[in-house]
Amino acid sequence: AQKITQTQPGMFVQEKEAVTLDCTYDTSDPSYGLFWYKQPSSGEMIFLIYQGSYDQQNATEGRYSLNFQKARKSANLVISASQLGDSAMYFCAMRPPISSGSARQLTFGSGTQLTVLP
Amino acid sequence: ETGVTQSPTHLIKTRGQQVTLRCSSQSGHNTVSWYQQALGQGPQFIFQYYREEENGRGNFPPRFSGLQFPNYSSELNVNALELDDSALYLCASSLYGTGNQETQYFGPGTRLLVL
Repeated sequence: AQKITQTQPGMFVQEKEAVTLDCTYDTSDPSYGLFWYKQPSSGEMIFLIYQGSYDQQNATEGRYSLNFQKARKSANLVISASQLGDSAMYFCAMRPPISSGSARQLTFGSGTQLTVLP
Repeated sequence: ETGVTQSPTHLIKTRGQQVTLRCSSQSGHNTVSWYQQALGQGPQFIFQYYREEENGRGNFPPRFSGLQFPNYSSELNVNALELDDSALYLCASSLYGTGNQETQYFGPGTRLLVL
């Protein structure tokens, strides 16, 4: 079974500063995918970034980067130069190995509510 | 490129009734997954449809059922509604077989309130 843990229910960051949102995971599969999603108050889950378990480099997408430490089973999201529009709920999620015929269900953590202060 | 759409946006039902939620997948995608998100929690996987068949199911009772149509759109049906079914229901589409970076893209959700 896969499990995602997000230990920060809420975080505050000053506008234009960087912030790190923590995510640890547990799985016995050697192959897996890790995702971060942003959920504004409107409800839609917005895909931010993906990291594969065999990827050698940390993923980056614009102001988002993923600090992947495989041995520690952590996949922290770093948001640089925070903006007011970054205020939202952030979810870390894991997908099991891709194999023929298998479901690609995502297992989500409980989320971190980020508030960017002006 | 058309994103994932869901209807209706909001719904109010009473206990014991039945409800149908609808989802249109992103253009080019062939797989639809449904999730239930209770207030203050992360989404929970209900089931996934690929090639019009259920391709995996989470820990939800049989009164949660679904369909996928030839155009890859999907329906989620819930019978005998219970108060605990009140939640945001999210639909996500993806392209099955694109390898490890296969990504699910979500719709705006349907908020269901059961009274």
